[in-house]
Amino acid sequence: KAGVTQTPRYLIKTRGQQVTLSCSPISGHRSVSWYQQTPGQGLQFLFEYFSETQRNKGNFPGRFSGRQFSNSRSEMNVSTLELGDSALYLCASTFRTDRETQYFGPGTRLLVL
Amino acid sequence: GESVGLHLPTLSVQEGDNSIINCAYSNSASDYFIWYKQESGKGPQFIIDIRSNMDKRQGQRVTVLLNKTVKHLSLQIAATQPGDSAVYFCAERGGSNYKLTFGKGTLLTVNP
Repeated sequence: KAGVTQTPRYLIKTRGQQVTLSCSPISGHRSVSWYQQTPGQGLQFLFEYFSETQRNKGNFPGRFSGRQFSNSRSEMNVSTLELGDSALYLCASTFRTDRETQYFGPGTRLLVL
Repeated sequence: GESVGLHLPTLSVQEGDNSIINCAYSNSASDYFIWYKQESGKGPQFIIDIRSNMDKRQGQRVTVLLNKTVKHLSLQIAATQPGDSAVYFCAERGGSNYKLTFGKGTLLTVNP
């Protein structure tokens, strides 16, 4: 069974631009979570989607948004990029509930110049 | 607020030795704990998990111990190998918000 895939793997943007990242969960998984990983803050939870609905949200500004499609694929969008948004963005999927193991993708490394 | 932290940011061991990575958590409502391994350029990889109704759980060469009294979690790796070199994260889930909260990570280096 294929793992979690994320595209693109690397991205360079400039301040003020917006970016959209994509995540395809493991086949059959319906929950997708997004995390931001930086050297200073570590892994921080952004939001979680289940059946096209945002179920949980972390403490990030409204510039960070996401959505999930009927096939469980998910996208996250960051508008008006800031230098501090440079990070590794990780997506993780689970079958159904929050209590199950999350399986992570390789991440998208975003650099904001 | 909720937080998960690690006692040791780095750990260096000799190949063949046993490794112990520690983690403290502060949310007494947490009822599910996970250890992840992250190699350079990759996403976190699940190692082992434990629920709060257990004190110990064993996997292949790994053991997780949970001490709820002092809110402490540890990962033991037996006969550590060079391929075990990575950053190890503990994570907890529970409380009113079921999001996964990660610790800062411990870098394990295995010397041949």
